Amino acid sequence: DQQVKQNSPSLSVQEGRISILNCDYTNSMFDYFLWYKKYPAEGPTFLISISSIKDKNEDGRFTVFLNKSAKHLSLHIVPSQPGDSAVYFCAAGSNFGNEKLTFGTGTRLTIIP
Amino acid sequence: DAGVIQSPRHEVTEMGQEVTLRCKPISGHDYLFWYRQTMMRGLELLIYFNNNVPIDDSGMPEDRFSAKMPNASFSTLKIQPSEPRDSAVYFCASSSGTRGWRTGYTFGSGTRLTVV
Repeated sequence: DQQVKQNSPSLSVQEGRISILNCDYTNSMFDYFLWYKKYPAEGPTFLISISSIKDKNEDGRFTVFLNKSAKHLSLHIVPSQPGDSAVYFCAAGSNFGNEKLTFGTGTRLTIIP
Repeated sequence: DAGVIQSPRHEVTEMGQEVTLRCKPISGHDYLFWYRQTMMRGLELLIYFNNNVPIDDSGMPEDRFSAKMPNASFSTLKIQPSEPRDSAVYFCASSSGTRGWRTGYTFGSGTRLTVV
């Protein structure tokens, strides 16, 4: 049972435009959410996170939005740059009793110059 | 710090052979995680350790998989016997465990395993 879902396996966006990556979750016990970025032949690297008590967190060109009632979060990248081309993973965790993160299947973002 | 170090980077083995993947976490991190990446399931948690003790191994697919952490600076993931369906990229990650959601885990570069 996939508790964190990324329904779009791939996304192509023109350079300079906004990229929006989406993630849905089913477990209402999740307390925090993270986005990771992964380049080929490398491990995922942390990008940005958000606590469930917030609905928005911003870091430079990256903004994560959380809609708890819809169990949905999204990552906005503005403006998109060629170096943003990578696989993006959404992850979720809980403060109750464990440190593990549950990841989605990933979305491959391609920025078109 | 050199980050999380995994070896080997690539492993090709024949079905039925034993495979051992290795990981050195970041010094001072007290949590270590083993994940497997597949197209169908994304990043799937296999097992994680806290202070060298296995905490949750519910993701280990079957008895052919085993993991150990004999000390704070080393962990192994062993598959015996290996099967073609084990082919995947295996990642090790570590964290300081201080509810590290603000900064997430640090992942190694992974081991790409191919079982033929």
